[in-house]
Amino acid sequence: EAGVAQSPRYKIIEKRQSVAFWCNPISGHATLYWYQQILGQGPKLLIQFQNNGVVDDSQLPKDRFSAERLKGVDSTLKIQPAKLEDSAVYLCASSPPRQVTEAFFGQGTRLTVV
Amino acid sequence: GEDVEQSLFLSVREGDSSVINCTYTDSSSTYLYWYKQEPGAGLQLLTYIFSNMDMKQDQRLTVLLNKKDKHLSLRIADTQTGDSAIYFCAEGSGGYNKLIFGAGTRLAVHP
Repeated sequence: EAGVAQSPRYKIIEKRQSVAFWCNPISGHATLYWYQQILGQGPKLLIQFQNNGVVDDSQLPKDRFSAERLKGVDSTLKIQPAKLEDSAVYLCASSPPRQVTEAFFGQGTRLTVV
Repeated sequence: GEDVEQSLFLSVREGDSSVINCTYTDSSSTYLYWYKQEPGAGLQLLTYIFSNMDMKQDQRLTVLLNKKDKHLSLRIADTQTGDSAIYFCAEGSGGYNKLIFGAGTRLAVHP
């Protein structure tokens, strides 16, 4: 079974620029998550989709971050404009429609804002 | 509120047992999880425990849950150098089982 695919793997941008990350979850997985992992910290949930609807975006900085999940499959996360503190690894995960949340993670996109 | 806390670092000798501890706050969590992260890789689910269980064993891994104290532990028997990684405790919270992670415990295994 193919895993969660993310691109790009690395991105360096200047502050105030825009950036977008892409995620392709495992086929058939209804739930998709975007996490932000700052160096030395645990992943922090930014947004959770159930199919193509948002079920939790309470920690998403909505003034600069946006996310969408097209047709309940692929998802993009955008930052506009970026700040220095957005430097982190952005992890996408997906899980199948089961009671136990066995989330499968992609390798992440490492963003450096300079 | 939701919060998960872990000690940040653990060093053990190869062949010894490792015990990684975690405390959580959401008493309604249905499942509790242990994830492993190796350098440059995403997180990988190691094991999980249902909240009405006290213990779960899976080969070298033993999970203990004290629901009264909201305390979770992961014991790795016969720790090997390949077990060196960061271990994250997570609770499944809310109706859609939102995963809340701790800061992670870095396990270093030395000869």
